[in-house]
Amino acid sequence: NAGVTQTPKFQVLKTGQSMTLQCAQDMNHNSMYWYRQDPGMGLRLIYYSASEGTTDKGEVPNGYNVSRLNKREFSLRLESAAPSQTSVYFCATKRAGGTGAMGGTDTQYFGPGTRLTVL
Amino acid sequence: TQLLEQSPQFLSIQEGENLTVYCNSSSVFSSLQWYRQEPGEGPVLLVTVVTGGEVKKLKRLTFQFGDARKDSSLHITAAQPGDTGLYLCAGRGTDKLIFGTGTRLQVFP
Repeated sequence: NAGVTQTPKFQVLKTGQSMTLQCAQDMNHNSMYWYRQDPGMGLRLIYYSASEGTTDKGEVPNGYNVSRLNKREFSLRLESAAPSQTSVYFCATKRAGGTGAMGGTDTQYFGPGTRLTVL
Repeated sequence: TQLLEQSPQFLSIQEGENLTVYCNSSSVFSSLQWYRQEPGEGPVLLVTVVTGGEVKKLKRLTFQFGDARKDSSLHITAAQPGDTGLYLCAGRGTDKLIFGTGTRLQVFP
């Protein structure tokens, strides 16, 4: 089992370009998350999907859109990249669904991350 | 806004030393988790503490949840180079996981 996979591993964009970060899981988990990690700021939630067919904004959603394509896949799109979006992006999954992003107390499993630089 | 501050931000020690990492907030959390992250990888869960005053041990790592469920600590006994990494605490907020600012630990042989 691959667990949680993310593509690409690295990406460099110019300001204004668009791109989609892909996340896929083979753990049959209901909930999926997108975080960004910046130095000294921990992980901040961008968007989440508590279950297939639903998506909700997290702490820092501006400039991003998401699609829960099916139970396995959750993509993050930057329509017009800005230097402030330079970061490391992590996808995570959790087995339980429930209300909001924290239904249940199950473990979140993280992918290896995508390092994005916007020039 | 719920915030989790970790201290110290950086820690460099020799193999065999003991250390404590702190995770503090003014907010109450229903549970708190500790993760370890190695370079180029995502965070991996170490432990979840739920009850105020709870102490959990994972080999040489001891985790404690404050009585008021606003703070937590991670103590490592006889640190080893394999303990090197970024340690993150995360509190369960109303509808999301709130991550701390992180403590980067380097253990030298």
